[in-house]
Amino acid sequence: GAVVSQHPSRVICKSGTSVKIECRSLDFQATTMFWYRQFPKQSLMLMATSNEGSKATYEQGVEKDKFLINHASLTLSTLTVTSAHPEDSSFYICSRRAGVSYNEQFFGPGTRLTVL
Amino acid sequence: QQQVKQSPQSLIVQKGGISIINCAYENTAFDYFPWYQQFPGKGPALLIAIRPDVSEKKEGRFTISFNKSAKQFSLHIMDSQPGDSATYFCAASSGSNYKLTFGKGTLLTVNP
Repeated sequence: GAVVSQHPSRVICKSGTSVKIECRSLDFQATTMFWYRQFPKQSLMLMATSNEGSKATYEQGVEKDKFLINHASLTLSTLTVTSAHPEDSSFYICSRRAGVSYNEQFFGPGTRLTVL
Repeated sequence: QQQVKQSPQSLIVQKGGISIINCAYENTAFDYFPWYQQFPGKGPALLIAIRPDVSEKKEGRFTISFNKSAKQFSLHIMDSQPGDSATYFCAASSGSNYKLTFGKGTLLTVNP
């Protein structure tokens, strides 16, 4: 069964509003989770590494003030897209590692964000 | 700089045939090479993965071949089925930060 869940699966919002996406690790306490963005027919691009109890680490070119990440518990990380614009429309996917010393990553089902 | 190059971009195979997707990497620090399968509108699912200490790994119909000296690895899908039609991504990471770098993906279509 699924080990990572995301909510919502789809969201449509108006330009200028903020949207929060939740990512839950269902069977494992994850100190680290990852957030990816995937545009249509393109690959996954890592946006940031979410660290429980500390600040997220953002990849180069990702605006940390626009994409707010909170990892307040060992099973929940949230991504908030602030003041969303149509160019933020994308498929957002989170993942967690299989274990502390494991490279394997398990991905959530993704959240489709459409900004009108 | 694209660190993981994947080819072909798309692939059409007849049912029962062999699908082959290739990837090449540049960063010699990479020590973990997974393949993911993604269906439209879904998150990627881990198919099979390999580490540089072995040259081949097989799981069911899926085989990874790894050539460390050439910095290349490939996915072979034997007896391809229409249900295998999906986008396949190779990826790589190193043990220092566990971040995955993905290839651009291959859209596989298996005709019945």
